[in-house]
Amino acid sequence: QQQVKQSPQSLIVQKGGISIINCAYENTAFDYFPWYQQFPGKGPALLIAIRPDVSEKKEGRFTISFNKSAKQFSLHIMDSQPGDSATYFCAAGPSYGGTSYGKLTFGQGTILTVHP
Amino acid sequence: KAGVTQTPRYLIKTRGQQVTLSCSPISGHRSVSWYQQTPGQGLQFLFEYFSETQRNKGNFPGRFSGRQFSNSRSEMNVSTLELGDSALYLCASSLEGDGSTDTQYFGPGTRLTVL
Repeated sequence: QQQVKQSPQSLIVQKGGISIINCAYENTAFDYFPWYQQFPGKGPALLIAIRPDVSEKKEGRFTISFNKSAKQFSLHIMDSQPGDSATYFCAAGPSYGGTSYGKLTFGQGTILTVHP
Repeated sequence: KAGVTQTPRYLIKTRGQQVTLSCSPISGHRSVSWYQQTPGQGLQFLFEYFSETQRNKGNFPGRFSGRQFSNSRSEMNVSTLELGDSALYLCASSLEGDGSTDTQYFGPGTRLTVL
């Protein structure tokens, strides 16, 4: 019940294209869904996050779509650039006031390559 | 504002040895979480500390332990190292470590290699 399943494992996109990464979760106690971007030799950096009370959140070229009934959420990267080439992780976190302090459950990651 | 810092960045140890990794959180952050990252298992939660107390623990053996000091700096220790402990160990800090209101910021990690 604690798993977060992420797909695809790898993705190749042409410059200017749309990159789409999908995640699904099982635990309905999850209440926070961040996406992290990780470059080689670096720690993960928060990209964008969403809570289940909204179905979509957009920040620049990055959009999260959230489907609470299906327990799925996805990251869309519009106008993908070579500098977006990195590993992307979806994650799920506990609700405020619960006991699962400080714990994010991560998907397995998607290696995105954007060709120029 | 300085980010999360971790030392050392790289470590090479042999089986059976023990190792201590250090993490300094962002100033003002009181919660520190530790994660292990491997190609096979991905990012897995080790434990979380707040106000010098371990509040949450993942599914790792007792060889993995940690502590937090009064200034919120944290250390994790791995005793009796095994080959499978080779990984990138990541530290993340947040204000309170309490759910959806609290963003976790990650450090660059410590790359541990066990020979």
